[in-house]
Amino acid sequence: EVQLLESGGGLVQPGGSLRLSCAASGFTFSSYAMSWVRQAPGKGLEWVSSISGSGGSTYYTDTDSVKGRFTISRDNSKNTVYLQMTSLRADDTAVYYCARGNTYDYADYAYWGQGTLVTVSS
Amino acid sequence: AIRMTQSPSSFSASIGDRVTITCRASQGVSSYLAWYQQKPGKAPKVLIYAASTLQSGVPSRFSGSGSGTDFTLTISCLQSEDFATYYCQQYYTYPLSFGGGTKVGLK
Repeated sequence: EVQLLESGGGLVQPGGSLRLSCAASGFTFSSYAMSWVRQAPGKGLEWVSSISGSGGSTYYTDTDSVKGRFTISRDNSKNTVYLQMTSLRADDTAVYYCARGNTYDYADYAYWGQGTLVTVSS
Repeated sequence: AIRMTQSPSSFSASIGDRVTITCRASQGVSSYLAWYQQKPGKAPKVLIYAASTLQSGVPSRFSGSGSGTDFTLTISCLQSEDFATYYCQQYYTYPLSFGGGTKVGLK
């Protein structure tokens, strides 16, 4: 059974940093691209970032608010994908989901974690 | 970046109704289009992928159609558990993008 378990969320002050983790199990982790999707309170879904199975290719939303501040990475030996977030702002407050597609490289997200809440506030 | 526009943003319907939600892409996405259902406090659940393929385990009252720029999600006979918010998403090219969502409420 595919399982995705996010951790690392919490309350952080504006300008601070957080690293989110998503521990995966139940599939050959290194074969699948992984993604982060976020949802601000009461708002819609926003794709944030994706990384290929090897980790050699990374993609980010071109929203000005994220570029250059977030970094996606993965450790295939630990079956874990990360999202390093720096210079956090109030509008980064959201539930962050880890997600995996049906097939290796596709981002039709058949599997989601339960989400981890990031709150940016002083 | 490809912009996904859903309509309507919300509406009310009755159990047993046939419901259609539309999604338009600002440029062609072939058939790389997925539909999700989300209930409050829960992660989204994929209903349809590749524009018209029903995800395993999803009831057959859900169907999807379209290709290129215009897509529809149809619920043939609305059930009580279908009151939720629905999102389309293109995965044709990066940056990936979701529609703004359609909330289906009880009339």
